[in-house]
Amino acid sequence: AQKITQTQPGMFVQEKEAVTLDCTYDTSDPSYGLFWYKQPSSGEMIFLIYQGSYDQQNATEGRYSLNFQKARKSANLVISASQLGDSAMYFCAMREFSGGGADGLTFGKGTHLIIQP
Amino acid sequence: SQTIHQWPATLVQPVGSPLSLECTVEGTSNPNLYWYRQAAGRGLQLLFYSVGIGQISSEVPQNLSASRPQDRQFILSSKKLLLSDSGFYLCASNRASSYNSPLHFGNGTRLTVT
Repeated sequence: AQKITQTQPGMFVQEKEAVTLDCTYDTSDPSYGLFWYKQPSSGEMIFLIYQGSYDQQNATEGRYSLNFQKARKSANLVISASQLGDSAMYFCAMREFSGGGADGLTFGKGTHLIIQP
Repeated sequence: SQTIHQWPATLVQPVGSPLSLECTVEGTSNPNLYWYRQAAGRGLQLLFYSVGIGQISSEVPQNLSASRPQDRQFILSSKKLLLSDSGFYLCASNRASSYNSPLHFGNGTRLTVT
């Protein structure tokens, strides 16, 4: 079974609108972390934001915020006031802490976001 | 902060030829190191990870191998490439024993096997 599910293969959004990228996850580990990455067409992976399973508040980082709903196992990324430069692939990823944290991140299949002028 | 150097940026190799991709890390000691592969338009698949020199864990049985001869050097190899080895290969690292530490990625190698 997939551990990270991103149900939106592609999205078109008008510039300056807010964007919500969906991510649901599956784990029985009580301790885990959730990460979002941006991958422009150049291929580099850019870390955006992190949410720990025990964090009381939703993470925010500039125009990025994470809508974390633990009971629903969802960690949606919200981008406020979208810009043309936000066009990219976006990946949700998870680390389960019971494995010691060394075995990397499990990634979803990504959402291709296109911002239209 | 960590900097990941990965080369070459692009590579075209015939089927059956050997492969060696190298990755080096600056800005940290004793990092965890990772090799990921990304097929066209897909997510990232973890291939190998290493928690120390000479320690390699394989996530997916395949035609590839990895080695870590030095603390901040990670090498991905193959003796004979297959067409299915084509993809975008990314090296990554993070601080050991740090659960909330994100992975830092290199710029990747785009491998085409012909």
